Amino acid sequence: DGGITQSPKYLFRKEGQNVTLSCEQNLNHDAMYWYRQDPGQGLRLIYYSQIVNDFQKGDIAEGYSVSREKKESFPLTVTSAQKNPTAFYLCASSIGGGTNTEAFFGQGTRLTVV
Amino acid sequence: GQQVMQIPQYQHVQEGEDFTTYCNSSTTLSNIQWYKQRPGGHPVFLIQLVKSGEVKKQKRLTFQFGEAKKNSSLHITATQTTDVGTYFCARRISGNTPLVFGKGTRLSVIA
Repeated sequence: DGGITQSPKYLFRKEGQNVTLSCEQNLNHDAMYWYRQDPGQGLRLIYYSQIVNDFQKGDIAEGYSVSREKKESFPLTVTSAQKNPTAFYLCASSIGGGTNTEAFFGQGTRLTVV
Repeated sequence: GQQVMQIPQYQHVQEGEDFTTYCNSSTTLSNIQWYKQRPGGHPVFLIQLVKSGEVKKQKRLTFQFGEAKKNSSLHITATQTTDVGTYFCARRISGNTPLVFGKGTRLSVIA
C-alpha cells in the first residue's frame, strides 16, 4: 500500500530530553512537511523540504530540527530548546511542482512531555 | 496577508440540519483546498477549487469559490453523525510552497 507512515503514534518523554519523530513515505513525493497541531490553533508549519538534502524553516521552527537524507524519509527532532513540545505532530507529503497539488498526511504522533 | 480566516470556529447542529463554514482571504487565492479531520485522526483531502465562481459537489457537500477568488465555502446538507470533525481550508502562496491552513471549523452533530 502506498502511503505515509508516522511512528510512534504516542510518545512520552521527560522534560529536557530530545526526541525524534519518524516519517516515511513510499509515494515518491518530492515535498515533505511537518505541522504541529494544538487545540484551536489549526496546523502550523514547522519545517518543509522540497527536495533531498534541502529543507526550509516554517513559521514555528525554533526548538526543532530536521534532516532529508533520503527522498522517503523526513524525521523531526524535538529538542530540549522547544518550550512547549506537548502537541500532535503531523507529517505530510505532496508531489510538488505547483500550486494544485494536494497533501497526504500521516496518522500523526501525539507527543507528551512530562 | 498569507493567512486564511475560517468562521465559525465551532458549530453544533442537530442531525439533519445544514452546516456551512467559510474561508476568507485578504488577498486573491490561486486555489483553495478543503480537508476534513475526524476526531483523533489526520486531515484528509476533500477537494480543490481553482476557477473563479467554481462550484463542486460531493454528495451532500457543496464547495464554492468566490467570484473574486478571495473566499470559499463548504456547505453540508442534512448533516449526519458521520460528518463530525474539523474542516480546514488551505492555500498555497505560490509554486511548491507549503499549504497554509486556516484554524478550522469543528462540527458537532447531535443525534
